[in-house]
Amino acid sequence: SQKIEQNSEALNIQEGKTATLTCNYTNYSPAYLQWYRQDPGRGPVFLLLIRENEKEKRKERLKVTFDTTLKQSLFHITASQPADSATYLCALGRDDKIIFGKGTRLHILP
Amino acid sequence: DAMVIQNPRYQVTQFGKPVTLSCSQTLNHNVMYWYQQKSSQAPKLLFHYYDKDFNNEADTPDNFQSRRPNTSFCFLDIRSPGLGDAAMYLCATSRVDEQFFGPGTRLTVL
Repeated sequence: SQKIEQNSEALNIQEGKTATLTCNYTNYSPAYLQWYRQDPGRGPVFLLLIRENEKEKRKERLKVTFDTTLKQSLFHITASQPADSATYLCALGRDDKIIFGKGTRLHILP
Repeated sequence: DAMVIQNPRYQVTQFGKPVTLSCSQTLNHNVMYWYQQKSSQAPKLLFHYYDKDFNNEADTPDNFQSRRPNTSFCFLDIRSPGLGDAAMYLCATSRVDEQFFGPGTRLTVL
């Protein structure tokens, strides 16, 4: 069955440093991969999408890479800020179906 | 503002007492989703609609039903809630590979 793994349950990063989150998947060939932010008690908020034929995508302080050979995506937040503290979810999609990983809790320490 | 609205935000029901959660959208998106999310877990896809075409996930319990009477509204019916159905229920719509989530309904089963 399809499986999505996100690195460690929690990640502590010092303010100003780059936070790097990992998403690995098996038994799936997504047409696209997404990253979402989720704050406690709220629904996920879309951040970035990268397609299977793309290697890298950037948006402001965010960067996503996608390696379909390794079946892995890396999500980077540069110049991290305490306000970036949240859970970040990786999601894989093909056609209309989207499945999620359980997320990584990121804490940016002041 | 265009958005995805879920009502109620908090729902308490008794074991075995049917409950209906509602979702509406002003985005006019064709695709709507229902996810179940338990604490520190991935949102789990229950069903999705493309227009009126209903897609049920293979592992969605029969206890869960859904209705989409028109583009704007979608309902999740839980026929006989058990203690294991206590969770956050998220509704989402989709446009070109990006999902827009509602704030969720937190269901408590007593």
